[in-house]
Amino acid sequence: AQTVTQSQPEMSVQEAETVTLSCTYDTSESNYYLFWYKQPPSRQMILVIRQEAYKQQNATENRFSVNFQKAAKSFSLKISDSQLGDTAMYFCAFIPSGTYKYIFGTGTRLKVLA
Amino acid sequence: NAGVTQTPKFQVLKTGQSMTLQCAQDMNHEYMSWYRQDPGMGLRLIHYSVGAGITDQGEVPNGYNVSRSTTEDFPLRLLSAAPSQTSVYFCASSYSESPNTGELFFGEGSRLTVL
Repeated sequence: AQTVTQSQPEMSVQEAETVTLSCTYDTSESNYYLFWYKQPPSRQMILVIRQEAYKQQNATENRFSVNFQKAAKSFSLKISDSQLGDTAMYFCAFIPSGTYKYIFGTGTRLKVLA
Repeated sequence: NAGVTQTPKFQVLKTGQSMTLQCAQDMNHEYMSWYRQDPGMGLRLIHYSVGAGITDQGEVPNGYNVSRSTTEDFPLRLLSAAPSQTSVYFCASSYSESPNTGELFFGEGSRLTVL
């Protein structure tokens, strides 16, 4: 079975500091896509960042970057210069190429402290 | 720009009642899907559709029905509600026929309580 594991249920970080959220996944597929989604307290989920497994270069989006280690099946999210608006639940998600079934992790609740 | 619209936002049902959660999108997305979110379980896929007239089961389809008669709408039906269906439900769509390369756009969610 394909799974996504987020081992940190809750984390906190001081404003302006850096925090890393971990995600590991299990699959026998060679080509797939990985995502981080953010769910603020208002509940609407939005995409933070996307990584294609065949690309070795780590994706970055402004203050958000990933550390993608394909051999280790690891996909961590780094948030630099944390802001109060980053307070949210963060979900790691995975989808094999050619399928339509996203698999989500259980989420990490991040709180940014003033 | 409405995006993905879900109704109702809140609903309380009694065991055995039926209801339909509505989902509509105005982005002409071919792919639409329903998830349920439970504490400690993350999001789990219930059903999905890759176009009008085409639906398929996800991870937790039991107790739910779907249909896709138009590109815009993808309703989720609970035929006989059970307390185990108490959850927050999310509808999501994608702009690509291959959603694994794209981005899921989510609705605001519908909180359902079954007594």
